[in-house]
Amino acid sequence: SQQGEEDPQALSIQEGENATMNCSYKTSINNLQWYRQNSGRGLVHLILIRSNEREKHSGRLRVTLDTSKKSSSLLITASRAADTASYFCATALYGGATNKLIFGTGTLLAVQP
Amino acid sequence: EAGVAQSPRYKIIEKRQSVAFWCNPISGHATLYWYQQILGQGPKLLIQFQNNGVVDDSQLPKDRFSAERLKGVDSTLKIQPAKLEDSAVYLCASSPRLAREAINEQFFGPGTRLTVL
Repeated sequence: SQQGEEDPQALSIQEGENATMNCSYKTSINNLQWYRQNSGRGLVHLILIRSNEREKHSGRLRVTLDTSKKSSSLLITASRAADTASYFCATALYGGATNKLIFGTGTLLAVQP
Repeated sequence: EAGVAQSPRYKIIEKRQSVAFWCNPISGHATLYWYQQILGQGPKLLIQFQNNGVVDDSQLPKDRFSAERLKGVDSTLKIQPAKLEDSAVYLCASSPRLAREAINEQFFGPGTRLTVL
């Protein structure tokens, strides 16, 4: 079953605007990762935030994590048409011998030029 | 650095036929994953290898799916026989981390899109 649920399911914005997408999960995690998937391409890792971190930045990306609410958000600032893609959060669970990623359902972002 | 390679990119088969997918991970990556991504959903882990051993295959439908990584490098995933609901993109990923390590950024291949008619 899916661990993470992204919100909104779809988002359409104009170039230059900021895009915010949210992820909620159910169980305790070790870390949370965000991935991007362009049409016809595989997933690309964007950023990882550990469970003891609250905020992390990478270029135009800002990720926050609230473990008390079991939620995370991804902010893309000054969006570009090339940011059009599906964005997935993936939670790394405490698993003993193996730590696997559980992906959410994704947010489809469309950036209009 | 070369990425994860997968072939074929597309495959169309009829139900009850067999199909195999191939994956070559990034050189030196110990851990290899196969995911199934149904249209409109996130990837779902099917099986995880560390070197040539299976670490987790709890989500693999073993009555029809099999996978191997005999020499600890490239891997094949097979479906026999295929069902209509197997239509999906099959993604291969690798990680330089060991299976038990928590910080496990994964590198994905382009995937194989399977259509079962």
